[in-house]
Amino acid sequence: GAGVSQTPSNKVTEKGKYVELRCDPISGHTALYWYRQSLGQGPEFLIYFQGTGAADDSGLPNDRFFAVRPEGSVSTLKIQRTERGDSAVYLCASSLVGGGSPLHFGNGTRLTVT
Amino acid sequence: AQSVTQPDIHITVSEGASLELRCNYSYGATPYLFWYVQSPGQGLQLLLKYFSGDTLVQGIKGFEAEFKRSQSSFNLRKPSVHWSDAAEYFCAVGADNNNDMRFGAGTRLTVKP
Repeated sequence: GAGVSQTPSNKVTEKGKYVELRCDPISGHTALYWYRQSLGQGPEFLIYFQGTGAADDSGLPNDRFFAVRPEGSVSTLKIQRTERGDSAVYLCASSLVGGGSPLHFGNGTRLTVT
Repeated sequence: AQSVTQPDIHITVSEGASLELRCNYSYGATPYLFWYVQSPGQGLQLLLKYFSGDTLVQGIKGFEAEFKRSQSSFNLRKPSVHWSDAAEYFCAVGADNNNDMRFGAGTRLTVKP
């Protein structure tokens, strides 16, 4: 079956602009995660959804970052007033349930802020 | 919150040699432990996981890992490395009472011919 799909695969934007990154999880997976991976680092947790609600958003770095999952499937990560330090690969993952189930990752969106 | 340490940033082994990648975790209860592999330009792929039971777990591609509670470790091993194993390896820990998984910084494996 289809895996986790992330679009776009690459995004280049100017400092100060707004961007949206999309994640389409595996069908039937109720848990959805956003991670950020900088060069030479492991994935850094941003936010976790169980269904439509954000069960844990403690990893969002500041209020410029926001994510939604209105129908419990597709999720959008939104970044306002982008900064050069936001440049990274943004990874989305889904799983059947939370609480330790293995995550299935998409290939990520590489965001470059110039 | 749980955390993971991978002490080795980069390891080089010869093809056919054995491999051990180290992982230490911090968590107050029995953790869920995972190893993922990331090849260049690829997404993270699950190699194996430990939830409970037998502390030696087998994964894909001939990898295995052993959970040692007394050492808070979950080291990844392979008896004979292949050139295609060259990649970045990440250890991760999850918990039962929250739902985010924490990753180590990764170990980059280079395989010499």
